[in-house]
Amino acid sequence: AQKITQTQPGMFVQEKEAVTLDCTYDTSDPSYGLFWYKQPSSGEMIFLIYQGSYDQQNATEGRYSLNFQKARKSANLVISASQLGDSAMYFCAMREFPTSGTYKYIFGTGTRLKVLA
Amino acid sequence: DTGVSQNPRHKITKRGQNVTFRCDPISEHNRLYWYRQTLGQGPEFLTYFQNEAQLEKSRLLSDRFSAERPKGSFSTLEIQRTEQGDSAMYLCASSLAVGGTEAFFGQGTRLTVV
Repeated sequence: AQKITQTQPGMFVQEKEAVTLDCTYDTSDPSYGLFWYKQPSSGEMIFLIYQGSYDQQNATEGRYSLNFQKARKSANLVISASQLGDSAMYFCAMREFPTSGTYKYIFGTGTRLKVLA
Repeated sequence: DTGVSQNPRHKITKRGQNVTFRCDPISEHNRLYWYRQTLGQGPEFLTYFQNEAQLEKSRLLSDRFSAERPKGSFSTLEIQRTEQGDSAMYLCASSLAVGGTEAFFGQGTRLTVV
């Protein structure tokens, strides 16, 4: 069964520094996608970055990069040059791409990031 | 297209009443998802549609919950005989039915059962 684990309930980072948010996953399907979402206090879920299981290179989107280690089943989010506006909840999610079956997204419990001035 | 739209944004209801939420997905998205999120937790999957067909329902979705997506466009989620434990944020998301695509979320409907 699919499972996402985020072991850091809360993290602090100094403004302009980099921070890594951890995510491990479990799946028996060889084809899957990994996603990171940001949820500010206003509540909307904002898509940040995507990594496919067959992608050879780690995904990057601006200040966001995904450190994908397939053998370890980890997909950590790295935020470089943190800004005060990065303070939010961050969720790791996974979706399997089976030939048949579910297409739902499964989410972890989240990490609350606080950026300090 | 302005994204996924959910109405109402907030709903306060008395225990035992029925409530209905609406979700308008991004127009070209044929997959639509409902999630429930309680404070400090990640979104929990409730159900999803591909076009008008409801393809999966979570065990979280008791018989008091029903979702529809007539004509494969907007969707409604109804909760009958609400209980205090139903208080949560209800999130709707939509996506294309191809691999590797992210789901886009609406701003959610916050339900408070008093």
